[in-house]
Amino acid sequence: DIQMTQSPSSLSASIGDRVTITCRASQSIGNYLNWYQQKPGRAPKPLIYAASTLQSGVPSRFSGSGSGTDFTLTITSLQPEDFATYYCQQSYIIPRTFGQGTKLDIK
Amino acid sequence: QVQLAQSGAEVKKPGASVKVSCKASGYTVTSSDIHWVRQAPGQGLEWMGWMNPNGGHTGYAQKFQGRVTMTRNTSINTAYMELSSLRSEDSAVYYCARDYYDSRGHNSFDIWGQGTMVTVSS
Repeated sequence: DIQMTQSPSSLSASIGDRVTITCRASQSIGNYLNWYQQKPGRAPKPLIYAASTLQSGVPSRFSGSGSGTDFTLTITSLQPEDFATYYCQQSYIIPRTFGQGTKLDIK
Repeated sequence: QVQLAQSGAEVKKPGASVKVSCKASGYTVTSSDIHWVRQAPGQGLEWMGWMNPNGGHTGYAQKFQGRVTMTRNTSINTAYMELSSLRSEDSAVYYCARDYYDSRGHNSFDIWGQGTMVTVSS
């Protein structure tokens, strides 16, 4: 199985900040990397697929990059609704493993 | 509106089985694979397996092999996930999700059910 490792596990930031979350795969996955946002008590919401393509309706302050084994999710100018937990997931092969999550909270 | 609607919360005793339904609306369930993901309280997302509702083909995470069964009823546009021999560690929210492929062959879980809480307790 491909292991997905996110860092940091938690992050505190302020409104308006720029934050970056990283995700590393245990083997090359090309650009088969997705990002999801989850708020407490809610289902995950798709944010980015194919490493850098925004899902429909996702604000442009979200961006993704990377290929191979190293990927990043960047949020510019944090808004109150962005405080949540973020997960990466590889869609290269079955099983479709997730990272352990990065909890982003307000400083 | 494309959505997946899951069945309600369940409370089960250890050793019992639970069957969670996932009804598709706004699209035909046979047009995309359905995956199941679970999340224990305070924990991350855990992929359980997938099903192709068109042909009924399935694939399960090794951890759940022998205990999980994914099926579908195409006449009512619904997928199911059954987990047997329940133990306390299976207490979690279970999600179904649609696996959507774009024109380049990239895929992601673009539609998620609302989740079904399964509690295993004696």
